[in-house]
Amino acid sequence: EIVLTQSPGTLSLSPGERATLSCRASQSVDNNYLAWYQQKPGQTPRLLIYGASSRATGIPNRFSGSGSGTDFTLTISRLEPEDFAVYYCQQYYTSRGTFGQGTKVEIK
Amino acid sequence: EVQLVQSGAEVKKPGEALKISCKGSGYSFATYWIGWVRQMPGKGLEWMGIIYPGDSDTKYSPSFQGQVTISADKSISTAYLQWSTLKASDTAMYYCARRMTPGGYFYPVDVWGQGTTVTVSS
Repeated sequence: EIVLTQSPGTLSLSPGERATLSCRASQSVDNNYLAWYQQKPGQTPRLLIYGASSRATGIPNRFSGSGSGTDFTLTISRLEPEDFAVYYCQQYYTSRGTFGQGTKVEIK
Repeated sequence: EVQLVQSGAEVKKPGEALKISCKGSGYSFATYWIGWVRQMPGKGLEWMGIIYPGDSDTKYSPSFQGQVTISADKSISTAYLQWSTLKASDTAMYYCARRMTPGGYFYPVDVWGQGTTVTVSS
């Protein structure tokens, strides 16, 4: 079973700052089948990144993904007010489709 | 417009059965995998399982195998999630979501239903 551990649990930043979120897997995620989602309160999740580094349709280029194997990163280059939300990573290689526990990006 | 529309909120008692639905429109329903995701109150996302409506091939997360049944009726473009015996711990929001590529298994989900709230309480 692949376990995904996200860090930090909460990130307190100001608009305009850079956000760096980590997702570490307990074993290698083959073919980098790793996605990132954004969820705002009361809303459905939104796909941001897939294949570890490909932006989904309509996602602004301030969002970028990187990493391979067991270590993955989501970077938001300059936080906009609408970016404050919870972010989840997910591996979609195994039938478990494991999600990380989430990182909350909050306004400082 | 591609949409997944889920059935409405449910309030049930422990021990009751339940079947919730997810209707797709605006695309070829039979050719995209549909997954189900649980979100318990105030908690994160949990992958439950996935079905290919074209041939009803279904794969469960081990955590949910035997606890729920996922099915689909491609003739009416609808996927289902059902319980035979609900427990209070099944109280959650349940989302259906579609894989992003037709026929593609190793892809994330990119279109989500609005969610169905299930409350199980005596």
